[in-house]
Order: sequence, then C-alpha cells, then structure tokens
Amino acid sequence: GENVEQHPSTLSVQEGDSAVIKCTYSDSASNYFPWYKQELGKRPQLIIDIRSNVGEKKDQRIAVTLNKTAKHFSLHITETQPEDSAVYFCAASSRTSNNNDMRFGAGTRLTVKP
Amino acid sequence: EADIYQTPRYLVIGTGKKITLECSQTMGHDKMYWYQQDPGMELHLIHYSYGVNSTEKGDLSSESTVSRIRTEHFPLTLESARPSHTSQYLCASSVLDGKLFFGSGTQLSVL
Repeated sequence: GENVEQHPSTLSVQEGDSAVIKCTYSDSASNYFPWYKQELGKRPQLIIDIRSNVGEKKDQRIAVTLNKTAKHFSLHITETQPEDSAVYFCAASSRTSNNNDMRFGAGTRLTVKP
Repeated sequence: EADIYQTPRYLVIGTGKKITLECSQTMGHDKMYWYQQDPGMELHLIHYSYGVNSTEKGDLSSESTVSRIRTEHFPLTLESARPSHTSQYLCASSVLDGKLFFGSGTQLSVL
C-alpha cells in the first residue's frame, strides 16, 4: 500500500516569508496529490491538488510541485500571512484503484509570526 | 446547502457504553470515510465505504462498526467505549476523483 512521509513536522516563519512543506510517497501508481489545511478546532479543507499529468499548479500564493521520478511533491506558500497558520496535510492516492489507498502524511504545523 | 453533517458535536460518556456517531451528507457522494484524529495530529482511517451495502476496515482497528444502508448516511458505532477511544472522529465523503470533504467532527470523551 501507499506510504506518505511529510516534513517538517513543525515550521515557523516570519510574516511575508515563504514556507515549503515536502512529502514523499512510495506507490508509483499514485496519481492524485491533494493538500489539506486544518485550522485550530476546524475541519480539514482542500486547498490545492495536483494530478500526475502536470508538474506544477498555482493558485494565488499557493503552489504545488510534483516530481514523479523522485516520488515527491511540495507545497509552497509565498508572502505568508498570520492566517496561514494551521496544520497542513499532504495525501496521495490512485484515482483508478478500487481500493481506498488515499493516505495522509502526518501533518506540518505552520506558524506565521507577525 | 450541500454539506456533510456530524452529530453530536461533543459527547462525554462512561466506560462500557454503546454509542453511535452520526454522519450524513447531502452532496450525492458515493464514497464515505471515518477518520480518528487527536487535535492537530495525523488522520487515521477507521472505516470506509464505496456505496450502499459496502463497508471496509481501515488501518486503525478501533473496535467499531459501520453501516451503509442509505447513500447519504454512514453511522459509526462503538459497542463498548473505553478511555482509549477518547479522540476526535471525522467523517468525510468524496466522488471518485478523491477530493475529500470533511464534516465538523465529533469530539468524544470516555471517562
């Protein structure tokens, strides 16, 4: 089955700086890579996702890159703001599989200091 | 408004009690999931379902059962609650492309 590792577990940045969170996956059949943001006391919410047919996707200050050869993908947040403070989870799954192989990383707690 | 609903939001019970956590979605999704999560920590898959009359165990054995009699309803039952079951339980649903939509969760405390 799929195994997803996420680093770092905690990340602290100054407001305005960039933040990068990295994930690796083990199953070469994985082709869907979402990122979820969970604010304190709230439900996880999808913020961006990427499929294996593209290498990069951007949405305003958030971008995700995928390296299929190395089996890793990263979340990039530019011009960080205090409201970006949250726990971020990466995940990987195979869209075509009939088994539930959506696996989450252990999470990264991001703190943006004003 | 299409959403996924969980009740109760908070539950405090004694050891040995049988409880059912409710989850309903009005999004028309076939796939539904239950995750266990301590605050801000890793999401552990407990059960999932691909549709009516389909249920599977996930990675975390929590001595619970689920049922999927209707597409929109996916309740989780703990036959005999223990203090180790104290956690947050998140229900989620998705279409086949994998985008998960989560409910607000049930915070369970077993005394």
